[in-house]
Amino acid sequence: GAVVSQHPSWVICKSGTSVKIECRSLDFQATTMFWYRQFPKQSLMLMATSNEGSKATYEQGVEKDKFLINHASLTLSTLTVTSAHPEDSSFYICSARDRGVYLDGYTFGSGTRLTVV
Amino acid sequence: RKEVEQDPGPFNVPEGATVAFNCTYSNSASQSFFWYRQDCRKEPKLLMSVYSSGNEDGRFTAQLNRASQYISLLIRDSKLSDSATYLCVVSYSGNTPLVFGKGTRLSVIA
Repeated sequence: GAVVSQHPSWVICKSGTSVKIECRSLDFQATTMFWYRQFPKQSLMLMATSNEGSKATYEQGVEKDKFLINHASLTLSTLTVTSAHPEDSSFYICSARDRGVYLDGYTFGSGTRLTVV
Repeated sequence: RKEVEQDPGPFNVPEGATVAFNCTYSNSASQSFFWYRQDCRKEPKLLMSVYSSGNEDGRFTAQLNRASQYISLLIRDSKLSDSATYLCVVSYSGNTPLVFGKGTRLSVIA
């Protein structure tokens, strides 16, 4: 089945540095990638939607200059957390739609646990 | 009002018990409905889709009531391995993002 490879699985960084998270669709073309964030004991909250070759659409309250999303190809989308702060510590996870599959065709990456110290 | 609301949990049940989770959604335009399972510090994984006619997969039964905007999940003969957080999820159309409930934590105890 469809697989999305997400890296890194966990990262610890110093406050003020930037962290890049990658999601690759391994055996399908992902025209759309959804980026979610999950705080402890909370739901997955959509941060942004990225479409290959165009600018990402950000949800209300998500700073586009802080969370940079690039979706330059049909198999790769990246999320860069710039100038990270401790409050950005969270579980970040991507999800892609397989172009050829409807309904159940949402595939998730394995998530990235970010800790900012 | 949250778009997807679930029982707060946690549910602590003995092995072999039957447990039911409920969920309501606020957007009547929702088209697709799912139950996902999420283990601690892992990505959510699709448990089953939910259809108006109801559907069953082994020990799991899901029901959808569009008029009441209500979704349910029934787990029979609970196993220790069923311990996880169960997420109620809806989607509005084919290419829109999934909307997640907060999840209900289930602990099955020996």
